[in-house]
Amino acid sequence: AQSVAQPEDQVNVAEGNPLTVKCTYSVSGNPYLFWYVQYPNRGLQFLLKYITGDNLVKGSYGFEAEFNKSQTSFHLKKPSALVSDSALYFCAVRDAPYNFNKFYFGSGTKLNVKP
Amino acid sequence: DAGITQSPRHKVTETGTPVTLRCHQTENHRYMYWYRQDPGHGLRLIHYSYGVKDTDKGEVSDGYSVSRSKTEDFLLTLESATSSQTSVYFCAISESRTGGTEAFFGQGTRLTVV
Repeated sequence: AQSVAQPEDQVNVAEGNPLTVKCTYSVSGNPYLFWYVQYPNRGLQFLLKYITGDNLVKGSYGFEAEFNKSQTSFHLKKPSALVSDSALYFCAVRDAPYNFNKFYFGSGTKLNVKP
Repeated sequence: DAGITQSPRHKVTETGTPVTLRCHQTENHRYMYWYRQDPGHGLRLIHYSYGVKDTDKGEVSDGYSVSRSKTEDFLLTLESATSSQTSVYFCAISESRTGGTEAFFGQGTRLTVV
């Protein structure tokens, strides 16, 4: 079965500190992994993706994520948080090739960055 | 932003009435999706389409139907609205059979069933 887990409902971090938002996944085939951000009353915006290749992928707004196959994880990171990073973050997976039609999303993690 | 338009953006309807939400894309993408977003549940897939007239159920399809008669339009119908269907509904599109590309999301429709 395919699933995504975001174990933290909320992450609090001070501005300027590094941040990590955790994501683990379960698929039958090869994982195609994605991170999205959602600001209040808006749709989801794509941040970055891992398909294949380098385990460390870089995306928009200074975010990066590290794919770890042995731990089935894809944690989102940023070296120095900004107050404007405060939002809801979703991890998603596509299961290739067995179930590639669908995206499976985690329940979301609310990131609070305090000045 | 990807060319995705959801209509209406807000709707209040009464229990038992049918409701249709529309998703229109200008990207000519093959895949289209309907999700609902509820606190504590994240995004849950209702139905999706992988081509004109080709649709399939997601994890929370009961009480919903969809149609896709043209590549650009994907309609979601609540056959008889219930209060449990009060939610924010998002349409998304994606391309590529290989699953390599991301999904792009519309701005959402806030539906209230009273």
